[in-house]
Amino acid sequence: AQTVTQSQPEMSVQEAETVTLSCTYDTSESDYYLFWYKQPPSRQMILVIRQEAYKQQNATENRFSVNFQKAAKSFSLKISDSQLGDAAMYFCAYRSVQGAQKLVFGQGTRLTINP
Amino acid sequence: GAGVSQSPSNKVTEKGKDVELRCDPISGHTALYWYRQSLGQGLEFLIYFQGNSAPDKSGLPSDRFSAERTGGSVSTLTIQRTQQEDSAVYLCASSLDFYEQYFGPGTRLTVT
Repeated sequence: AQTVTQSQPEMSVQEAETVTLSCTYDTSESDYYLFWYKQPPSRQMILVIRQEAYKQQNATENRFSVNFQKAAKSFSLKISDSQLGDAAMYFCAYRSVQGAQKLVFGQGTRLTINP
Repeated sequence: GAGVSQSPSNKVTEKGKDVELRCDPISGHTALYWYRQSLGQGLEFLIYFQGNSAPDKSGLPSDRFSAERTGGSVSTLTIQRTQQEDSAVYLCASSLDFYEQYFGPGTRLTVT
């Protein structure tokens, strides 16, 4: 079974600075998807960024980018120019390409933005 | 367009009562998922629907939990004889292409 680990329960960053959230995963599959979701206090999970394992290029979405290290099974999220609206719980998630369609989530990292 | 909606937003129930939680997926989305988010267990998968059938029910924690989907659209998660450990936020998500799952705002269930 696949597992996802986020080792940082809480992180904080000054507004306009850069922060990196860590995620590692364990799988025997060679092809899969990885995601970062954001959950603000409203509870609604919002997709931040996704990465296909077969792609070597790291995904980017505006201020959000990932560092995908397939051999190390590492998938970190970098948020540049942090904004107050970035404050939320961030979850790393894994999904198989074949078979099970469910998302396997990490424990989450609570990100605080200091003004 | 409209996103995934869930009702009720909050539900307080007494131990031993049955509850029904509803999910309205995005129109046209064929896949629907239920997850549970609790302090002790984090985010857990419960069940997955493709159309009206459920090829993966592996996450349902006990036979007190059941779910159905009708017309390839609305889904209902039913918890019978609720227990305090059932207290959690129940999240529903839907997907068109098995790629991105869109989540609803969740139902917070409190069992007293």
